Amino acid sequence: EIHLVESGGGQVQPGGSLRLSCTGSGFVFAGYSMNWVRQTPGKGLEWLSYISGPGSPSIYYANSVKGRFTISRDNSRSSLFLQMDSLRVEDTALYYCVREVLTATNEYYFDLWGQGTLVTVSA
Amino acid sequence: DIQMTQSPSSLSASVGDRVTITCRAGQNIGISLNWYQFKPGKAPTLLIYAASTVQSGVPIRFSASGSGTQFTLTIANLQPEDSASYFCQQSYRTPNTFGQGTKVETK
Repeated sequence: EIHLVESGGGQVQPGGSLRLSCTGSGFVFAGYSMNWVRQTPGKGLEWLSYISGPGSPSIYYANSVKGRFTISRDNSRSSLFLQMDSLRVEDTALYYCVREVLTATNEYYFDLWGQGTLVTVSA
Repeated sequence: DIQMTQSPSSLSASVGDRVTITCRAGQNIGISLNWYQFKPGKAPTLLIYAASTVQSGVPIRFSASGSGTQFTLTIANLQPEDSASYFCQQSYRTPNTFGQGTKVETK
């Protein structure tokens, strides 16, 4: 069965760091671009970062996390990572690892999500 | 960023009812619109991509339409397991952005 499983969430003080991990199974991880998306009761769903799969690596970030968060992947371990530094109270959220599919007509969508890992930033 | 506005924010309907959720984009996004279902404690699932293409494995009671700035998701013959939150997402421009969600309750 195809799965994404996130880990690494927890409670951290403002200014602290956390590293989220996501492991894929049941599919060829290296063949897909991957994203991180977070969800909060207040701001809803927010896309955070993208890393390309096959071909030349491309990385993008939302303005809200640019310079603080770093996305990376290790295809040999079918894993995606999000290094989160300089965390703020407003980064408190459920963080999802998400697989992306690009169609032949250049439409894209998120076809596989993990269950999420909760990050709480509080003093 | 492209703003996505969903309505209603919540609704309650009876089993067997037909339910329609609307998503409006702040600018023309063509058909770059996806729909997702969120249930507490479960991995979210993709329902619809490219405005109207139903994802494999999704029950046939789910359908969607629209282009440009106005989109709809329809659940025909609502079932108890359809109680969930539904979100639209535009994938026309980076950053992709989501609607604020519609919570559907089954009476």
